[in-house]
This record gives sequence, C-alpha cells and structure tokens, in this order.
Amino acid sequence: KAGVTQTPRYLIKTRGQQVTLSCSPISGHRSVSWYQQTPGQGLQFLFEYFSETQRNKGNFPGRFSGRQFSNSRSEMNVSTLELGDSALYLCASSLLGLPNEKLLFGSGTQLSVL
Amino acid sequence: QKEVEQDPGPLSVPEGAIVSLNCTYSNSAFQYFMWYRQYSRKGPELLMYTYSSGNKEDGRFTAQVDKSSKYISLFIRDSQPSDSATYLCAMSARDTGNQFYFGTGTSLTVIP
Repeated sequence: KAGVTQTPRYLIKTRGQQVTLSCSPISGHRSVSWYQQTPGQGLQFLFEYFSETQRNKGNFPGRFSGRQFSNSRSEMNVSTLELGDSALYLCASSLLGLPNEKLLFGSGTQLSVL
Repeated sequence: QKEVEQDPGPLSVPEGAIVSLNCTYSNSAFQYFMWYRQYSRKGPELLMYTYSSGNKEDGRFTAQVDKSSKYISLFIRDSQPSDSATYLCAMSARDTGNQFYFGTGTSLTVIP
C-alpha cells in the first residue's frame, strides 16, 4: 500500500507570492490533516478535512487555506507569503480522523520564502 | 504554557546504551499517546501507540504512560546508530477531535 504522498518536496518562493501544496492520502483514508513544522514551534496543527469538509482548524491566519477533493486528495494554499512561513509542511492521513486512530505522515514539502 | 513539553536535547549516547525520552503534558483529557521518529528532511514515522496508562513493548522500544503524573516515556534498549533521529511525542483526546498535539522533539545521536 502506498504511503501518504506530498508534492512538491521542495519549494522556493519570494515574499508576497502564493503557493499550493498537494497531498494524496493512503488509499481508503478519508481524513487529511495538515501541520506546519518549524524548529522553534515544532508541529502545529493547521486544519483537517474529511469528506471534502473542513472539520477543524488551528490558530493560523486566513492566508492559510485548504480543500479536499472527492477522491480524498487535498491541497493547501498559502497566499501573500511571509518570511515566517518558511517551514516543513506535513500532511497526514487516517481512516476517519478519529482521535484514537493512528496518524500517518508524508515526507513533507519544505517551503523556503526569500 | 504549551500543551505538551519535551526536552529538545540534544541527547548523545554510545551504541548499546538505554535511552530514555520523556514528555509532560497539561491536558488531563489526553488518552491516546504516540511516539514518532523523524529522520532529517523526512516526515515523522509512527513508532508506538498507547491508549491510556500502562506500558507497551515492541522489540527494543517500550512506551510508558503515567496519567496521574501527566508524563510519558519512550525507552530504547540496545540503541543503534540507525536510531539517531528526532523523537516526537504526540497525544490526543476525545474532546480534541482529530487534532493531535505534539512535543517539539528530542534530537538523539547514537555514537558507534
């Protein structure tokens, strides 16, 4: 079974630009979560999608948005990039998005904002 | 105060040593506890999953949860150079829905 796939692996953008990251969950998994990982803050929850609906959202500004498609694939978008958005963006999937399920991660997209 | 606290290290041990990694947390509602291993430039890989208090063993790894002290541990026996990575604790609760809370990670180096 293929794991969680994230594309692209690396991105370099400049301030003010926007970026779209993609995530394909494990086959059969319907919940997709996004996390931002930085050296100082660790992993911080961005949002979670299930059946094309955002069910939960972390404490991030509205510049961070996402969506999920009918095949469970998900994208997240960051508009008007800031230097502080430089981070590893991780996507994770689980079957139904329940707190007792195992959360399985992709390799992440490393975003650098110059 | 962060929900989950984890000593960032770095921790450096000789090959074959027993390693102890720890996290404390503040939310008594946390019931599900996980340990992840993350190699450089890779996503976290699930190592151990524990529900509520008690111990769980898997090969060289043992996870312990003490809910009364709000303290979880991961022990690695006979540590190997391939164990060199960052170890993240994570936890969730029924009332946190699908949001998991992570420690900032402990960097471990096992010296051959």
